Amino acid sequence: QLQLQESGPGLVKPSETLSLTCTVSGGSVSSSSYYWGWIRQPPGKGLEWIGSIYYSGSTYYNPSLKSRVTISVDTSKNQFSLKMNSVTAADTAVYYCARHKKDYFARGGYSHISPSGVDIWGQGTMVTVSS
Amino acid sequence: QAVVTQEPSLTVSPGGTVTLTCDSSTGAVTSGHYPYWFQQKPGQAPRTLIYDTSNQHSWTPARFSGSLLGGKAALTLSGAQPEDEAEYYCLLSYSGAVVFGGGTKLTVL
Repeated sequence: QLQLQESGPGLVKPSETLSLTCTVSGGSVSSSSYYWGWIRQPPGKGLEWIGSIYYSGSTYYNPSLKSRVTISVDTSKNQFSLKMNSVTAADTAVYYCARHKKDYFARGGYSHISPSGVDIWGQGTMVTVSS
Repeated sequence: QAVVTQEPSLTVSPGGTVTLTCDSSTGAVTSGHYPYWFQQKPGQAPRTLIYDTSNQHSWTPARFSGSLLGGKAALTLSGAQPEDEAEYYCLLSYSGAVVFGGGTKLTVL
């Protein structure tokens, strides 16, 4: 069955860049049926969607984080990655990678694909921003 | 960006029934928001219970069901068990944006 595993530094200094990778096993990141995404959860708080990517490289981001976030996909390694720059203590959280169902919406007379809910979650990795 | 609202906390008696709701700041929740529900216990990753309003995964206990109710998405737990005590989150999709609700802490007491 499909499994997701996050990896990356557990400690990042303020103003630096947070980098995480999610390795997909038991399935392919090149599947046309899913998006792949990142979600975070600060200690004691709720879940926040960061962004999602399709195997083609098409992305959607949370507008509140968009200016600092880049999500990329490496189909040859069956991985996708998150980079978040200019981090502060507010970015301290458990970061989850996840598989999203692909859905559709209509805009401008055209049908577009987009991520919707999550069916598979990684176990999560704690990232602390501190000097 | 839309705001998704859930009850902060609810309590249910063992064997009892409780309904959690998920409201959208943009108006009535519809099937086009593809509502999802997740259960999260302390120290664990979330687990998906319900997808696309009312569909259960193979691992979802039959006592959990999803629906649309009064313009909101709803998760009903019928016959609560002690192991159902957890945080529950909903998720709604908005044409390319994904928004989580703030979560409902469910106590079985």
